[in-house]
Amino acid sequence: DQQVKQNSPSLSVQEGRISILNCDYTNSMFDYFLWYKKYPAEGPTFLISISSIKDKNEDGRFTVFLNKSAKHLSLHIVPSQPGDSAVYFCAAFRFISNFGNEKLTFGTGTRLTIIP
Amino acid sequence: DTGVSQDPRHKITKRGQNVTFRCDPISEHNRLYWYRQTLGQGPEFLTYFQNEAQLEKSRLLSDRFSAERPKGSFSTLEIQRTEQGDSAMYLCASSLGGGANIQYFGAGTRLSVL
Repeated sequence: DQQVKQNSPSLSVQEGRISILNCDYTNSMFDYFLWYKKYPAEGPTFLISISSIKDKNEDGRFTVFLNKSAKHLSLHIVPSQPGDSAVYFCAAFRFISNFGNEKLTFGTGTRLTIIP
Repeated sequence: DTGVSQDPRHKITKRGQNVTFRCDPISEHNRLYWYRQTLGQGPEFLTYFQNEAQLEKSRLLSDRFSAERPKGSFSTLEIQRTEQGDSAMYLCASSLGGGANIQYFGAGTRLSVL
């Protein structure tokens, strides 16, 4: 059961334009959503997060939007730069308790290519 | 570099052999996670430590897998009698908990079972 889904395996965007990466989820109990970026031969690197009680979070060129009724979130990158070319993973967790296992459930990733 | 480090980066082994991977988390992080990633998939949770206590194991973790975190510092993941299906990237992450509980990942150990 894929609780977090990224339906676009790849996306190409011209440098300077907006990149929009999408993510859908099925588990309404998730408390936090996170985006990670992964370069080849490296581990995932945290980008930005959003609490389930918010609908937007912004950090520099990165903005995440959450639509709880649609169980959908998106990551906007503006303006896109060549260094943004990587695989982007959407992830989510449910808060259990102060000592609970907040394990991340990941989507399958979207490979973003920025065209110079 | 004070990030999460994993050793070795690559491991090639023959089917049936035992392998052990090591993870050194960020020093002040009390939570440690192991994940496994196969081609075209996102990382999948394997096991979780709060300090030295292993609090949860995924059903993905068969009896051939064992993990430890002695003294709540570094962690090891051992796979006994490896099978070709064990070939994957094994990722370790650590965190402090609270809020978004941001997990910081190591570069991973890529296991190839021949």
